[in-house]
Amino acid sequence: QSTLTQPPSASGSPGQSVTISCTGTSSDIGGYNYVSWYQHHPAKAPKLMIYDVTKRPSGVPDRFSGSKSGNTASLTVSGVQAEDEADYYCTSYAGNNNLVFGGGTKLTVL
Amino acid sequence: QLQLQESGPGLVNPSETLPLTCTVSGGSMDSGIYYWAWIRQPPGKGLEWIGSIYSSGRTYYTPSLKSRVTISLDMSKYQFSLRLSSVTAADTALYYCARAPSATRVDYWGQGILVTVSS
Repeated sequence: QSTLTQPPSASGSPGQSVTISCTGTSSDIGGYNYVSWYQHHPAKAPKLMIYDVTKRPSGVPDRFSGSKSGNTASLTVSGVQAEDEADYYCTSYAGNNNLVFGGGTKLTVL
Repeated sequence: QLQLQESGPGLVNPSETLPLTCTVSGGSMDSGIYYWAWIRQPPGKGLEWIGSIYSSGRTYYTPSLKSRVTISLDMSKYQFSLRLSSVTAADTALYYCARAPSATRVDYWGQGILVTVSS
């Protein structure tokens, strides 16, 4: 059982916006502005898409954005594309050099 | 582009020690500002943080595994390692190695290695 709660699936047609939620507690998401999101295609290394809640690493398309309210963080893909179909995982810093993870959300592009 | 590659046995007997190595290429390990981490994912379950080692050699382990985990670093070989002792079937998982530029996030991952605990 994962510490952070994500919906198991999400979907959208090409061009639509899709939002994936990640719910934790005041000990992780609510206590720190250190939420990251990873994109994972099967048999590949996970890729960092968002860090520190809203920051995008160089090379990540600007259609990916992150936000947080209270104990819930969100990843939004604005104008989803076929290549965005993948599993997405959220993580949060939880103190004491410890990271906690969500169970993952499978994004399907219809 | 930094790359990480896990290596080790795909099958470990119950009660024995699981040894994994991560080899880093395409970048430096000795810049002194990174953590090197291990993460795992049991079949059908979510990701679990195992622990990390800072470039100084200081280690940090998740409480639930602390008594069984050892992470070590050999920057001269561009490698870091995981040893998990007294394994059971519950330790069967896809094991990832990763780099963390701070304690708050991971930026590069390996592709993962599946380790099965079974006799």
